Amino acid sequence: DQQVKQNSPSLSVQEGRISILNCDYTNSMFDYFLWYKKYPAEGPTFLISISSIKDKNEDGRFTVFLNKSAKHLSLHIVPSQPGDSAVYFCAASPRALFGNEKLTFGTGTRLTIIP
Amino acid sequence: DGGITQSPKYLFRKEGQNVTLSCEQNLNHDAMYWYRQDPGQGLRLIYYSQIVNDFQKGDIAEGYSVSREKKESFPLTVTSAQKNPTAFYLCASSRGGDTQYFGPGTRLTVL
Repeated sequence: DQQVKQNSPSLSVQEGRISILNCDYTNSMFDYFLWYKKYPAEGPTFLISISSIKDKNEDGRFTVFLNKSAKHLSLHIVPSQPGDSAVYFCAASPRALFGNEKLTFGTGTRLTIIP
Repeated sequence: DGGITQSPKYLFRKEGQNVTLSCEQNLNHDAMYWYRQDPGQGLRLIYYSQIVNDFQKGDIAEGYSVSREKKESFPLTVTSAQKNPTAFYLCASSRGGDTQYFGPGTRLTVL
């Protein structure tokens, strides 16, 4: 049972435009969410996180939005740059109960930025 | 430079052999983790350790073993009992329950 779902395996966006990556979750115990970026044959790099007490967190070109009632979060990248081309993983944890030891990852979305 | 190192980057083994993957960190992190990634799938947790000399099974621990004798090191052994060992293996560490940071990974291919 996939508790964290990224339904779009791939996404192509024009350079300079907004990239929106989506993630849905089913476990209501999840209260902390993270986005990681991964290049081929490398480890994931932490991008941004959000706690369930917030509905938005911003860091430079990256903004994560959380809609708890819909169990949905999204990552916005504005403006998109060629170096953003990578696979993006959404992850979630029941932090209040178990800390961040039990991260559950989605299957990833491959973002391609078209010059 | 602080970070997490995994060696080797590529590893080939014959079927039926045990193999040990190395993970070292100099971030002074208490917690360390092992994940496995297969094509088209997310990362799945194999084992994790919150403190030296203690570790817990993750979601897919069968066929794997770990040790945590030093804070800096968390080696993973892929045993012959693991049915599908060919995968990309990732090690991570964190300060307690904080954000996990990943190493560069080891691609294991069993022939």
